[in-house]
Amino acid sequence: NAGVTQTPKFQVLKTGQSMTLQCAQDMNHEYMSWYRQDPGMGLRLIHYSVGAGITDQGEVPNGYNVSRSTTEDFPLRLLSAAPSQTSVYFCASSYSSGSSGYTFGSGTRLTVV
Amino acid sequence: AQSVTQPDIHITVSEGASLELRCNYSYGATPYLFWYVQSPGQGLQLLLKYFSGDTLVQGIKGFEAEFKRSQSSFNLRKPSVHWSDAAEYFCAIFGNEKLTFGTGTRLTIIP
Repeated sequence: NAGVTQTPKFQVLKTGQSMTLQCAQDMNHEYMSWYRQDPGMGLRLIHYSVGAGITDQGEVPNGYNVSRSTTEDFPLRLLSAAPSQTSVYFCASSYSSGSSGYTFGSGTRLTVV
Repeated sequence: AQSVTQPDIHITVSEGASLELRCNYSYGATPYLFWYVQSPGQGLQLLLKYFSGDTLVQGIKGFEAEFKRSQSSFNLRKPSVHWSDAAEYFCAIFGNEKLTFGTGTRLTIIP
């Protein structure tokens, strides 16, 4: 049982490049979310999904796209990377009731130069 | 929209002393509330959760939290801290199908 798996762990991008952060969970969780963590700002919600085929925007969605074609996977796409997107990104998943709490991946540290 | 406020950015306590980290929330219904801990360079680990029943909830690592509806608070406590408790602590609320975090409190432990 792997939980929530994020790849890669580290990435350096040049401004304007695109990339996809991968997130997979094997717990059959309906809910999945992407957060970014910046010093002094806590974790801010980028996008979230309540099931396959359903996604919605969070607090800071600009510059990011998501899709949810399967229950297991929830990739986050950076369309044209900007230095402001330098951050640590966390993926998390939960059962639909939310009461069990979210399980987090180990994070991806992204630097845009 | 829901929100969480952690008024203390940084707290320093002596090893063996008691600890209380503050959390206030805003939400229109009965909330699901959580405390997470993050050690440096690590992911987030769930400490404890509240969603109904007893207002005093016990968690891992000797932590507890008390839900006070009248004060919209969910403060985290520990009777005696250990050096290994040094970390960042996040309060969070689940509502409207998403989990929203506070900005966190960094805990430093001094000998």
